[in-house]
Amino acid sequence: EDKVVQSPLSLVVHEGDTVTLNCSYEVTNFRSLLWYKQEKKAPTFLFMLTSSGIEKKSGRLSSILDKKELFSILNITATQTGDSAVYLCAVGPGQGAQKLVFGQGTRLTINP
Amino acid sequence: NAGVTQTPKFRVLKTGQSMTLLCAQDMNHEYMYWYRQDPGMGLRLIHYSVGEGTTAKGEVPDGYNVSRLKKQNFLLGLESAAPSQTSVYFCASSYSTDRAYNEQFFGPGTRLTVL
Repeated sequence: EDKVVQSPLSLVVHEGDTVTLNCSYEVTNFRSLLWYKQEKKAPTFLFMLTSSGIEKKSGRLSSILDKKELFSILNITATQTGDSAVYLCAVGPGQGAQKLVFGQGTRLTINP
Repeated sequence: NAGVTQTPKFRVLKTGQSMTLLCAQDMNHEYMYWYRQDPGMGLRLIHYSVGEGTTAKGEVPDGYNVSRLKKQNFLLGLESAAPSQTSVYFCASSYSTDRAYNEQFFGPGTRLTVL
């Protein structure tokens, strides 16, 4: 059974801190790993990683994939209160319909 | 572009009632998906569609039916609602290409409570 596990489930930090969110997976025929940010409503796309060791970066957010050890991390530096959200990791386990298997999410709270 | 829209936004049902959730997308996407999100469970795939007139089961299909009569619309039906179906339902859509994966675009969700 395909599985995606995120840790920690919840994290509270102060504004300006750096955080690292973890995502490990066990899926057949791995194709891609995606990160989403979910604030009040719909998840919004952050990154997609398909190759091991390549860092994707967007401003203060960055992510890297380790296909050998089957995990990914999402880093957020100089956190702001607007970074407070649930961060979802999803893995695409094959071709065709592009179904995604999601982790439970990490709820990140940034206190001023 | 409105992107992905869902109706209704909220609904309260009694056990045994039926209802249909409507998802519409204006991005000409081939693929559409229905997920449910429960506390601590992440998003779980209910049903999906790879094109007009085709549907397939996802991870948690029991108690739900779907139809994709038009490319832009994907309907999720509950024939006899149960309290276990209380959840937030998200619709998503994506392109069909040769890329490894394509970003899924999500609708704003429907909060359903079954009493």
